[in-house]
Amino acid sequence: SSELTQALSASVALGQTARITCQGDDIATTNVHWYQQRPGLAPILLIYGNNNRPSGIPDRFSVSNSGNTATLTISRAQAGDEADYYCQLYDGGPVVFGGGTKLTVL
Amino acid sequence: QVHLVESGGGLVKPGGSLRLSCAASGFRFGDYYMRWIRQAPGKGLEWVACTSTSGRTTYYAESLKDRFTISRDNDKNLVYLQMNSLRPDDTATYYCAKDLGGGACDIWGQGTMVTVSS
Repeated sequence: SSELTQALSASVALGQTARITCQGDDIATTNVHWYQQRPGLAPILLIYGNNNRPSGIPDRFSVSNSGNTATLTISRAQAGDEADYYCQLYDGGPVVFGGGTKLTVL
Repeated sequence: QVHLVESGGGLVKPGGSLRLSCAASGFRFGDYYMRWIRQAPGKGLEWVACTSTSGRTTYYAESLKDRFTISRDNDKNLVYLQMNSLRPDDTATYYCAKDLGGGACDIWGQGTMVTVSS
């Protein structure tokens, strides 16, 4: 089965750009989605597929995919962006989540 | 307003059973796949199961397929997760989620906590 690997943690200075990566075999050719989970809350869908953002998600959040790596980019980081971020791939029915990256905003 | 509300969680002894329910409102329930995802305390997200729009096709995480069963009632806008032979490592918050398409879960419930302990 597919596996997705994320770094356990990342940090970014307030106002700067954070990049969170997700590695998996040929991930650039698959349907990858990203979620944000703030402490104590349910996850929310951040970006799905090719840079599609649900209503209410600012364009500070974007993704890029290349080869075995999908990257979530958070521009102009805010204190409220401090959260866990998960990538997820769709396997034609089943889905697989990455282990999650805890983002700290300094 | 689109809404998912899980219920049925609680404390259960190892080997016991529990049935979770998820009530949907605010969207055409029968048009969407539905998923259950769980999160053990302090851990990441783990996909559990998925049901097609009709309920005739289901998918399970390989490690859970012999003990868990997902089903849905499109007349009542409900999706269920029947969990049998529960183990301590099934302890988690269980979320139901609406699949927008292609596996993207755009609506999540608040979750229901299941604790398996003697």
